[in-house]
Amino acid sequence: AQKVTQAQTEISVVEKEDVTLDCVYETRDTTYYLFWYKQPPSGELVFLIRRNSFDEQNEISGRYSWNFQKSTSSFNFTITASQVVDSAVYFCALTTSGTYKYIFGTGTRLKVLA
Amino acid sequence: DTAVSQTPKYLVTQMGNDKSIKCEQNLGHDTMYWYKQDSKKFLKIMFSYNNKELIINETVPNRFSPKSPDKAHLNLHINSLELGDSAVYFCASSLGRVGTGELFFGEGSRLTVL
Repeated sequence: AQKVTQAQTEISVVEKEDVTLDCVYETRDTTYYLFWYKQPPSGELVFLIRRNSFDEQNEISGRYSWNFQKSTSSFNFTITASQVVDSAVYFCALTTSGTYKYIFGTGTRLKVLA
Repeated sequence: DTAVSQTPKYLVTQMGNDKSIKCEQNLGHDTMYWYKQDSKKFLKIMFSYNNKELIINETVPNRFSPKSPDKAHLNLHINSLELGDSAVYFCASSLGRVGTGELFFGEGSRLTVL
């Protein structure tokens, strides 16, 4: 069975702090795809990144970076120098080819305080 | 132009009523989905359609009936509404035949059953 675990229910940081959101996944497939989505208070779901299981390179996009480690089945997300606008619920998700089923973690609510 | 659009954005109705939510995507994607997000923010897949064909029906009660008249549209009809149906329903689409592209979500339809 496939599973995504986001153990951190809620994190609060002060603006400009760095914060890492954890994501641990389970799958028996060797080919799979991982995602992060952001859900701000306005409610829409915003795609942040997609990573396939064959690409273990870390990715950086501005203040966002992602650390994919197959050895620990983790796909963690770091926000550097957090800002109030980063306050949102962040979801990690997993899918495998042909299943058409994206499994979402329970989300981590990030509060960035001014 | 909105990529994935859902209507209505809000529904408030009494128990026992029937309601429909419409979804349209103009991205040319092959696959469309309905997700339910409950009050704790859990995102759970309900249905997936690939090119008008039902791929996933995730143990959803028979009161929920999706319909895909063409690959750009996926509607959701709910009969005999119950209090537990109150949630935000998200429509989404993805590119590709094997369902591994990122999901593009609509803005969500908040259903409140009184």
